[in-house]
Amino acid sequence: GAVVSQHPSRVICKSGTSVKIECRSLDFQATTMFWYRQFPKQSLMLMATSNEGSKATYEQGVEKDKFLINHASLTLSTLTVTSAHPEDSSFYICSARGQTYNEQFFGPGTRLTVL
Amino acid sequence: AQRVTQPEKLLSVFKGAPVELKCNYSYSGSPELFWYVQYSRQRLQLLLRHISRESIKGFTADLNKGETSFHLKKPFAQEEDSAMYYCALLSGGTSYGKLTFGQGTILTVHP
Repeated sequence: GAVVSQHPSRVICKSGTSVKIECRSLDFQATTMFWYRQFPKQSLMLMATSNEGSKATYEQGVEKDKFLINHASLTLSTLTVTSAHPEDSSFYICSARGQTYNEQFFGPGTRLTVL
Repeated sequence: AQRVTQPEKLLSVFKGAPVELKCNYSYSGSPELFWYVQYSRQRLQLLLRHISRESIKGFTADLNKGETSFHLKKPFAQEEDSAMYYCALLSGGTSYGKLTFGQGTILTVHP
């Protein structure tokens, strides 16, 4: 089956710093990657959709200058949380979809804590 | 805009009892619906999709367009079924669509 990894799994940073989260498709080419935010015991909220080689499409209410998404290759997408604040603390999950597999495969998530 | 509603945040049953996790949706197009499961400390994974009309781990779900529902059912719950379950709707087509998730239902199966 298709595997998606995320790095790091957990990160703690100081308020005002930037944090980069990587999402990789390990055994397939991901033409589309998705970034979600999940609050404890709550639903996944789609933040943005990124297609390889093009700009990400952000959902309403998500600040694109705050959450920078890059999808430079078919196996890697990155989410950078710029000037992080405590309210950005959350669980960030990516998913990837390729041409071969007609479904989204989810990464294990990254727990971000901003102090 | 599309919307997925799971009215029960928590659901508790005893082992061997039937279980039904409710999901209702609103969408102007032709819906594609999914159930995802997240076991403790594990990633989200696809449980089943309505177009496959299959039974996975004893679970089934039937799309009822008249009632705009896609309830998940299992006749005899097992302890290992304890997990968070999400109903999701795919909008925008299979190739380019995005998923909208319900709020999730935490299922606890007691021994």
